[in-house]
Amino acid sequence: SQQGEEDPQALSIQEGENATMNCSYKTSINNLQWYRQNSGRGLVHLILIRSNEREKHSGRLRVTLDTSKKSSSLLITASRAADTASYFCAPRYSGAGSYQLTFGKGTKLSVIP
Amino acid sequence: GAVVSQHPSRVICKSGTSVKIECRSLDFQATTMFWYRQFPKKSLMLMATSNEGSKATYEQGVEKDKFLINHASLTLSTLTVTSAHPEDSSFYICSARTSGTHTEQFFGPGTRLTVL
Repeated sequence: SQQGEEDPQALSIQEGENATMNCSYKTSINNLQWYRQNSGRGLVHLILIRSNEREKHSGRLRVTLDTSKKSSSLLITASRAADTASYFCAPRYSGAGSYQLTFGKGTKLSVIP
Repeated sequence: GAVVSQHPSRVICKSGTSVKIECRSLDFQATTMFWYRQFPKKSLMLMATSNEGSKATYEQGVEKDKFLINHASLTLSTLTVTSAHPEDSSFYICSARTSGTHTEQFFGPGTRLTVL
């Protein structure tokens, strides 16, 4: 399938620790986006990284992209209880008509106070 | 980021009735809108993609006569679940984006549909 695959499926850490989530995808992309979803809510866009970028930061978030390995990682530093949510990566594949995003099952992050 | 709203946020209806869900982009013009469906503890499943003024493109396995999508303007798309049945109960999320390769896709807060 064309969706991104997140790893691990679930992650539980103590508040203050760093959380790292990984994403693998299949073919060449224009960009890759990370989203967060709180239980029963819509998705919140976190960060977009283009295929020609290797790293991007936004606050406590750091995203890396390795196009040779077709993988991306999301690092949340100094995690907080409010970071508890599911995190999804969504690759936007290259090619005509490939403007829709498809989602994997996500990584369920639990930050314990 | 841009704001996408959905209405209603929650609806409970009887089997056999039709339900309309609205999706609006509040501060930008959405050339493309998407409708997703999410089952509990599952990923989002793309149902259809619609461009303003055009017919929606449905994903394989999604019944176009059951899930009617209208994208009448650059800020409004509607999803109508016709003759709803309990198996249609789900969380429906819309999303919108402007044109361009590297534009972000913004999501609405979702609509929880429960069909009794």
